[in-house]
Amino acid sequence: EVQLVESGGGLVQPGRSLKLSCLASGFTFSNYGMNWIRQAPGKGLEWVASISSSSSYIYYADTVKGRFTISRDNAKNTLYLQMTSLRSEDTALYYCARHESSVWYFDFWGPGTMVTVSS
Amino acid sequence: DIRMTQSPASLSASLGETVNIECLASEDIYSDLAWYQQKPGKSPQLLIYNANSLQNGVPSRFSGSGSGTQYSLKINSLQSEDVATYFCQQYNNYHTFGAGTKLELK
Repeated sequence: EVQLVESGGGLVQPGRSLKLSCLASGFTFSNYGMNWIRQAPGKGLEWVASISSSSSYIYYADTVKGRFTISRDNAKNTLYLQMTSLRSEDTALYYCARHESSVWYFDFWGPGTMVTVSS
Repeated sequence: DIRMTQSPASLSASLGETVNIECLASEDIYSDLAWYQQKPGKSPQLLIYNANSLQNGVPSRFSGSGSGTQYSLKINSLQSEDVATYFCQQYNNYHTFGAGTKLELK
């Protein structure tokens, strides 16, 4: 059974940092590109970042470029999102999702981890 | 950046009815379009990819169509389990989602 389980969310003050993790199981993690997508409370979906299967290609949304870093450890089947200089507008449920290497739609999503940026 | 304009924002329909949801892209996205269903408190699930390909396990009452800048999701014979919010997503140039359509039962 395919599973993606995010962790690391919580309450953090503006300007501070937080690192999210996404543990994958039930599929060959190293064969898939991975992504972070977020959803502010009661709002729509916003793509955050993508990383290819071998970490050769990395892309960010303009809203997080320079502040967030996506990475992965294929030996540990884990995806990461290092978030720095957090702002109130980063408050959201953060999902990890996978995509097959040659396509760019997201065929499986985790349940998400909540990040709240507030003083 | 490619903008996705999704309509309607909300929709109320009866069981057995046919429902249509539209997405308009700000430029040609060459059928690089997906549709997702998100039930309350759950993560999104892929329904349709490449504008008209049905994801494995998705009921055949769901279908997608369109090309260029105009795309639509059709749900035939609406079931109670279809109550959800639906999002379109373009993946021709990075990723942009539509604002969503909340589907309720009348």
